[in-house]
Order: sequence, then structure tokens, then C-alpha cells
Amino acid sequence: QLQLQESGPGLVKPSETLSLTCSVSGVSLSNTDYYWAWIRQPPGKGLEWVGSVYFNGNAYYNPSLNSRVTISIDKSKNYFTLRLTSVAAADTAVYYCARGSSRFDSWGQGTLVTVPS
Amino acid sequence: QSVLTQPPSMSAAPGQKVTISCSGSSSNIGKNYVSWYQQLPGTAPKLLIYENNKRPSGIPDRFSGSKSGTSATLGITGLQTGDEANYYCGTWDNSLSVEVFGAGTKVTVL
Repeated sequence: QLQLQESGPGLVKPSETLSLTCSVSGVSLSNTDYYWAWIRQPPGKGLEWVGSVYFNGNAYYNPSLNSRVTISIDKSKNYFTLRLTSVAAADTAVYYCARGSSRFDSWGQGTLVTVPS
Repeated sequence: QSVLTQPPSMSAAPGQKVTISCSGSSSNIGKNYVSWYQQLPGTAPKLLIYENNKRPSGIPDRFSGSKSGTSATLGITGLQTGDEANYYCGTWDNSLSVEVFGAGTKVTVL
């Protein structure tokens, strides 16, 4: 059974780097049928796609995050990571990892990351 | 402001039907599959409909999806109190090169 689990610090100081890991079980990240995504949701607001990474390491990001975001994949350990630099209060959100194809069919439970203002 | 437009809220009595619209453009809905997600309070989004009108295993046929041109619709029949949630549409936008979501529709069962 596919499971995704986010982990990382719940509090990040302004201007520092947010780092999260999504551990995946039940399917190999080497599977070429899927890609792996980070999606965030500010408190009380809607969903925002952060970016996605493919099995070969190619990654695509939301242009609104400019060059602050990096998503990488470790197939040997079956996890992928999100790195967001120079964070500000506007980056406070629940961060979800998800499996993608023509849709996001499996999601992690989400982890709240707070950046104090 | 979201690229995909959804009504902020809808309500209906138990057993009734609601239809949630998602309006986009030729660069997103007009050219790509639409998905719908249900987010119950305090939980992660859950896939309800994919590729415009397909239901994942375990999703009851009370939920249906359709697409026409640059708009998509989610229908919920036989409304239940457990259907109270936020519903989001999503698709890829070819012009922006981003995955886009609607702002969500909060469904209340009266």
C-alpha cells in the first residue's frame, strides 16, 4: 500500500532555508509511470503547486517561487526532498507531498511549517 | 487570484444535489485533463475525479465529473453530512507551465 510521509522542522526562521523530506513506501521512486510533487496550503487558503521531480531527477518548479526552490530525489532511499531558501512569513503553510501522473492520486498527511514574522 | 474560478461556497439539504463549476481557459482546462479533490476539515486532499470524469477505486458513483470546452463540473448527488468539505479542481496550465488549482468551493449540508 502506497504511503507518503512528510518530515522536517515545524519552525523556520525568516531568511533561513526550509528543508522537508517525503518518505515513500509501497512503490519505488524509480517507477517511470509517476512523478513526485510538493504542494502547499497556507492556513485557511487554497492549494499551491510548489514543484515536481521525475525519476531521472528532472525537476519543474512554480515560477512564482523563482530560484528559491529545489526538489531532489533519492531513489536508493526512496525519498524526495524540498528545499526552499530565504523563507518569509508568506511561506507559512501546510506542505504536502504527493504522487503525480495525470492527477495527484496519493497525498501525505501534510506538515505545518511556520515562519514567524 | 486563481487561474481556475470556482464558486466560494454552495449548500444544499441532505439527499439533494450540488454542482460545482470550475472555469478556466484554453491554456489549461481547454487542453488538459481536470481532476477534483475533496478536503475534509483538518485532512489532506483526496482525489475524487481524474481525467475529467473517472473515479478512483472506492469513490462512490454519487460523485461525477464532466468537462466541456474551458469549463469543468463536479456533481455530487444524494448529499450526505459527510460530504461537507472543500472541493478543488486542478489541471496543468500550458502557458504558465504550472499545475493550477481553483480556490476551492466549501460545500455545506444544511
